[in-house]
Amino acid sequence: SQKIEQNSEALNIQEGKTATLTCNYTNYSPAYLQWYRQDPGRGPVFLLLIRENEKEKRKERLKVTFDTTLKQSLFHITASQPADSATYLCALNTNAGKSTFGDGTTLTVKP
Amino acid sequence: DTGVSQDPRHKITKRGQNVTFRCDPISEHNRLYWYRQTLGQGPEFLTYFQNEAQLEKSRLLSDRFSAERPKGSFSTLEIQRTEQGDSAMYLCASSSGRQGGDGTGELFFGEGSRLTVL
Repeated sequence: SQKIEQNSEALNIQEGKTATLTCNYTNYSPAYLQWYRQDPGRGPVFLLLIRENEKEKRKERLKVTFDTTLKQSLFHITASQPADSATYLCALNTNAGKSTFGDGTTLTVKP
Repeated sequence: DTGVSQDPRHKITKRGQNVTFRCDPISEHNRLYWYRQTLGQGPEFLTYFQNEAQLEKSRLLSDRFSAERPKGSFSTLEIQRTEQGDSAMYLCASSSGRQGGDGTGELFFGEGSRLTVL
């Protein structure tokens, strides 16, 4: 069956360090993959999209990699700040129209 | 404000009552999605529209759930005979997608409608 797995544990890091979140999937052939940020009680907010033929995408302090052989995406936040504390969701799209989300990883950045 | 808006933001109802949520997408977006999210879980797909056509509906959506987008603009999600298991955040999102084309790219979410069924 199709499955999307993100870091099972919450991630706690010190301010200034790099946070690395993982998204693994099985039985999907995604055309592209997205990462969203969600704060408590709010809707998700889009961060980055990476296509199947792209290996890496960057935006300011954010970097996403996509390895279709390993069926994995890594999401990095460099020089992390307490304001980066949130839940981060990955979502897969197979050109069928809908996005399928993982359960998210909660990141806490401590000052 | 040109973002996705949802109404009401919070709804408390008694088991067995009907509830309706409204979503106003970003005006130039032709795709509209409904998701449901419970605590500690990611958004779970319910249904989506391309203009006024409902293109896909999750098997998780029982006969008590119905969604409409009559003029290809705003959408409503109705839950009939609510059950306690329906308690969740109902999220609406919109995107610009090419009709008959590939995936939609980024989704713009509203702030959600939180339903509590007593």
